[in-house]
Formats: sequence, structure tokens, C-alpha cells
Amino acid sequence: AQTVTQSQPEMSVQEAETVTLSCTYDTSESDYYLFWYKQPPSRQMILVIRQEAYKQQNATENRFSVNFQKAAKSFSLKISDSQLGDAAMYFCAYRSSYGGATNKLIFGTGTLLAVQP
Amino acid sequence: DVKVTQSSRYLVKRTGEKVFLECVQDMDHENMFWYRQDPGLGLRLIYFSYDVKMKEKGDIPEGYSVSREKKERFSLILESASTNQTSMYLCASSPVGINNQPQHFGDGTRLSIL
Repeated sequence: AQTVTQSQPEMSVQEAETVTLSCTYDTSESDYYLFWYKQPPSRQMILVIRQEAYKQQNATENRFSVNFQKAAKSFSLKISDSQLGDAAMYFCAYRSSYGGATNKLIFGTGTLLAVQP
Repeated sequence: DVKVTQSSRYLVKRTGEKVFLECVQDMDHENMFWYRQDPGLGLRLIYFSYDVKMKEKGDIPEGYSVSREKKERFSLILESASTNQTSMYLCASSPVGINNQPQHFGDGTRLSIL
């Protein structure tokens, strides 16, 4: 069975600085999808960024980018120019491409990011 | 934008009560999910449904059941609530057959069982 590990329960970053959140996963599959979700305090969880395993190029969405290392089974999230609104719980998630139609996700335990003004 | 609406943000119930958590989505998604979120444990899948009246157990189904009578609505039922079911419950939906599409989440229901 696949597992997702986020080894940093909490992180802190100064406003305008860069921070990297770690995520590793374990799978025997060659094709899959990886996601980072953001859950602000008392607010809805939203997608930050996604990566298809068959793509070598790292995904980027504005200030958010990933470092996808397939051989190392690592999927870290880099937040550049951190803003106060980036403070949230961040979850890494894995989805098998062999899971059929159900789009089941496997989540890590989350990293709580604090942004200091 | 996809809208996933959970009927209550906060709910307080007593041990032994039958509890219903409701979720409605407006994007005609085939898949719907119920998760439980606990500190240090992340999100754990309770049940999911891939079509009306179809359901499958997730990782922690014990003590829960679900109902999906209409495509847009997915209900989570705690048959006899217990204190260890105090948690945050999240509903999500997604389309079928599009592998890289994310799940869309509701705001969550924080349930306390006294």
C-alpha cells in the first residue's frame, strides 16, 4: 500500500522569505499523481499545485513550485516571497493512476506553516 | 467554481445518538468522499461513493455508514455516536475518469460527542 510522509509537523518562515515543505512517499507504481493542498485556519482546503509523475518538469504556480524527485520518491513544496496569507496547514497527497474511476487520495499528516511578519 | 457545502460547521451531540452529516455538491461530480481529520493523523478516508447508491469502505469505516440517494448529496451517518468520533469531518467531490483532477472540499464539520 502507498504511504505519504510529511516529517515536519510545524514550520515557520519570515514574510518575504522562502520556505520548503518536505514530502516523501512510498509506492511501487510508476505512474501516479501528487498534490499539495492548503488548509487555512477554519477555512476550506484548496489545491495549491499538482504534479504528474510521468512529467519530468517540475510544476509551478506563481510563487509555489515543487521539487519532484521520482527516484527518491520526494515531492517538496517551495513557497517563495512568503505572505501572511500563506499561513496554513499544508497536506501532501498521492493518487494512483491505477485506481480506476474513484480518484482516491492518500494524505500525509500535514505541516503547519506559520508566517512571521 | 465547484461548491461543496456541508450542512453544519459545528455540531454537538450526545453519546449514543444517531448523527447525520450532510454534504451537497453542485458540479455534477460522480465521486464523493467523507474524510476524518485528526491532529497528527492527517485525513483518513471513511467512505466514498462513485455513483448513486454505490459506496465503498475507506480506511476507517467502523462505526459509520453512508447514503447516496441523489448524485449531488452524500450523507455520513454515525449510527450510535461515541466520544472517539469527536473530530473534524470533511466532504469532498471529484469528477470521474480525469486522473489529475483534484478533489474539491467543503468547509468541514467540527463534531463534538459528549
